[in-house]
Amino acid sequence: SYVLTQPPSVSVAPGQTAKITCGGNNIGDKSVHWYQHKPGQAPVLVVYEDSDRPSGIPERFSGSNSDNTATLSISRVEAGDEAGYYCQVWDSTSDQPVFGGGTKLTVL
Amino acid sequence: EVQLVQSGAEVKKPGESVKISCKASGYKFTDYWIGWVRLMPGKGLEWMAIIHPSDSDTRYSPSFQGQVTISADKSNSAAYLQWSSLKSSDTAMYYCARLMGSGNIIWFDPWGQGTPVTVSS
Repeated sequence: SYVLTQPPSVSVAPGQTAKITCGGNNIGDKSVHWYQHKPGQAPVLVVYEDSDRPSGIPERFSGSNSDNTATLSISRVEAGDEAGYYCQVWDSTSDQPVFGGGTKLTVL
Repeated sequence: EVQLVQSGAEVKKPGESVKISCKASGYKFTDYWIGWVRLMPGKGLEWMAIIHPSDSDTRYSPSFQGQVTISADKSNSAAYLQWSSLKSSDTAMYYCARLMGSGNIIWFDPWGQGTPVTVSS
């Protein structure tokens, strides 16, 4: 089955840009979606279809996808952005969703 | 506003059964697939099963096939996930979520608030 690989953790200082990667074989040919998950809360969609933002999500959140890596970028990071972030695709071969292992973003 | 509201926490013993629910509002329930996702302590999100409420077409992750049963009640706009014999390894947070998109471009939005299930003797 299709595998998505994320770094377990990323640390960034407030005001800087955080980049969270999601690796997969030719992931650039797939549509990637990103979720933010804070403890005790429901996961929230922050980027869909590689780079689109749902209404209510700040412009600081952006996404890109090419070749074997998709990236979620969070500019001007704030303390409130500290959370787990997960990428997700739909695997056409197995006809099912696949999640990455998740990345814990720590704001220093 | 589209909302998914899940049932409350469950505390069960190994071997017991349980059925958790996810009530949808703010959209036409029969127009969208809805699914369940597991989050275990220290682990990532795992897709479990999805169902289309219009005809109860279901799909299961191979990891959960035979372990759980997904169902939906159109009259109540609710989806369910049930276990017939719980194990301690089923202790986790369970989220329901609506599926959006089509073809190979499908994502989950919105999500329910989560239902914690604890299985302990």
